Amino acid sequence: GAVVSQHPSRVICKSGTSVKIECRSLDFQATTMFWYRQFPKQSLMLMATSNEGSKATYEQGVEKDKFLINHASLTLSTLTVTSAHPEDSSFYICSARTWAQETQYFGPGTRLLVL
Amino acid sequence: AQKVTQAQTEISVVEKEDVTLDCVYETRDTTYYLFWYKQPPSGELVFLIRRNSFDEQNEISGRYSWNFQKSTSSFNFTITASQVVDSAVYFCALSLGGNTGKLIFGQGTTLQVKP
Repeated sequence: GAVVSQHPSRVICKSGTSVKIECRSLDFQATTMFWYRQFPKQSLMLMATSNEGSKATYEQGVEKDKFLINHASLTLSTLTVTSAHPEDSSFYICSARTWAQETQYFGPGTRLLVL
Repeated sequence: AQKVTQAQTEISVVEKEDVTLDCVYETRDTTYYLFWYKQPPSGELVFLIRRNSFDEQNEISGRYSWNFQKSTSSFNFTITASQVVDSAVYFCALSLGGNTGKLIFGQGTTLQVKP
């Protein structure tokens, strides 16, 4: 159990375009989903916390207008990188948990390359 | 403030050796959760273990064992008889639980197991 999927696994886009990444909990209802960013050989940096049906809470320094997060259902959250630039190239990884669990289960991640 | 320190950046061992990955945490809260995750080259974070602050029992799962000591604020992870497939980045993380359950990650330890 506790499977989280992400789509796409890899995306290459041109500078200025927007990219949407989906995160799905496949076998449980995720009341909370988290979005992280990871640069090569570094740890995970929390970008935002998303509770189903409410606005996401962004970490300090993360632009909410650039990284749009929607958590419309208990099994799906999306991260849209708007007007992407080369510096947005990174590994984006989501996680999900239920209100009763303390464990976050992670998706396989999405590698974004902005040219 | 909460913090997790994994002082070992990289460890290299030969197959069948035992290896211990260190994790030291800081928090003033009395209720908290500690985790270990494995990140193989594919990128996905694999949940290994969760421990709450009220349970100091050590745990063994196959070749994996964990030593939780509140007196030294440490939650160390030992792999016995290491195998090449154990090669990965291992992250220790701390959560205060509750509704948000934000994870605070250490910097990670890269383990290389050579044949």
